[in-house]
Amino acid sequence: AQTVTQSQPEMSVQEAETVTLSCTYDTSENNYYLFWYKQPPSRQMILVIRQEAYKQQNATENRFSVNFQKAAKSFSLKISDSQLGDTAMYFCAFTSSGSARQLTFGSGTQLTVLP
Amino acid sequence: SAVISQKPSRDICQRGTSLTIQCQVDSQVTMMFWYRQQPGQSLTLIATANQGSEATYESGFVIDKFPISRPNLTFSTLTVSNMSPEDSSIYLCSVEVVPRTEAFFGQGTRLTVV
Repeated sequence: AQTVTQSQPEMSVQEAETVTLSCTYDTSENNYYLFWYKQPPSRQMILVIRQEAYKQQNATENRFSVNFQKAAKSFSLKISDSQLGDTAMYFCAFTSSGSARQLTFGSGTQLTVLP
Repeated sequence: SAVISQKPSRDICQRGTSLTIQCQVDSQVTMMFWYRQQPGQSLTLIATANQGSEATYESGFVIDKFPISRPNLTFSTLTVSNMSPEDSSIYLCSVEVVPRTEAFFGQGTRLTVV
């Protein structure tokens, strides 16, 4: 079974600064997908960024980028130029490339951006 | 992408009653997923709903407690039966959009059982 671990329950960052959220996972599969989702107080789960395991290049979406270390099974999220609207719960998630496509989520990191 | 409409957005229910949550997608999808998010917790998969077959439940969840319908490729319902305060959670439906292997979520239903 796959597991996803987020060891930082809470983090804070000053507006305009950079913050990195950690995520590790455990799987015996070679092909899979990793995601970071954001859940603001509105409860809506919003995809921030995705990474295919077979791609060596780290994914980037505007101010969001990942550091994907496949051998270490590590998938951290870096948020640059943090904005107040980035305040949310961030979940790391895993899904296999096989037929069972449900997501396995980490426990989440509550990020607060301070003015 | 996919737009998911989930209803109701919130409800307060008496213990012992049942609530049915609806999930409507604006496009045809093969797989729909139902998750539970207990207060301050992460998301836990309840079941996977495929059109034309019975839902597949995860360990700890049973059909009698969480019956699911999937009558077509754009709609699903989750019923929380014989509710107790321990069922107070956010319930979310999700669909996968292929080939991007990207999951989209409804807005969630915040259920409070009193």
